[in-house]
Amino acid sequence: SQQGEEDPQALSIQEGENATMNCSYKTSINNLQWYRQNSGRGLVHLILIRSNEREKHSGRLRVTLDTSKKSSSLLITASRAADTASYFCATDAGAGGTSYGKLTFGQGTILTVHP
Amino acid sequence: EPEVTQTPSHQVTQMGQEVILRCVPISNHLYFYWYRQILGQKVEFLVSFYNNEISEKSEIFDDQFSVERPDGSNFTLKIRSTKLEDSAMYFCASTMRETQYFGPGTRLLVL
Repeated sequence: SQQGEEDPQALSIQEGENATMNCSYKTSINNLQWYRQNSGRGLVHLILIRSNEREKHSGRLRVTLDTSKKSSSLLITASRAADTASYFCATDAGAGGTSYGKLTFGQGTILTVHP
Repeated sequence: EPEVTQTPSHQVTQMGQEVILRCVPISNHLYFYWYRQILGQKVEFLVSFYNNEISEKSEIFDDQFSVERPDGSNFTLKIRSTKLEDSAMYFCASTMRETQYFGPGTRLLVL
């Protein structure tokens, strides 16, 4: 698999349920970022977790990072129909310092939340 | 809240024509990027730009592509002679430090 692979590829849940998406990657990273994309639209930044962090929260979002397993998960609690979108993880394996590197994206998870 | 803007939102062009995609990054950001997303595929890095020069480019970013920051606000991507396979959504992004903020994209269709 390639850097930044998400699973599942598609997830269908009912409103109010929790949604968990996973991401695996291959190389060492500086940080991992999660983005959301509504169909055919732009990428909206959700949350960033640095390589020395294990967990972060933002509203209904919870992200974990396990650098030993090179994996991350995004949990959306109490999902809403408006959360329906594609979710991507993206890793920054850049050199840091004065250079902030490219993001390598996964294929994404398509989340559908049924009202 | 400041945001990255891109113009045009849609562009249709004939194969072999030149196109220029425009972006206005967030004003105090220092690092600028172009990515593309072919329909149904993952977002791919094209090029990064810092201090008025290219920092890094991907294999996709061949001699047909160029970037420029002609003034203090705009950041452009030029494709000199478009090919059918250049049809994609092109995203501009900018950052001050770590979080990359993306524009809404330009959907390019090459006929």
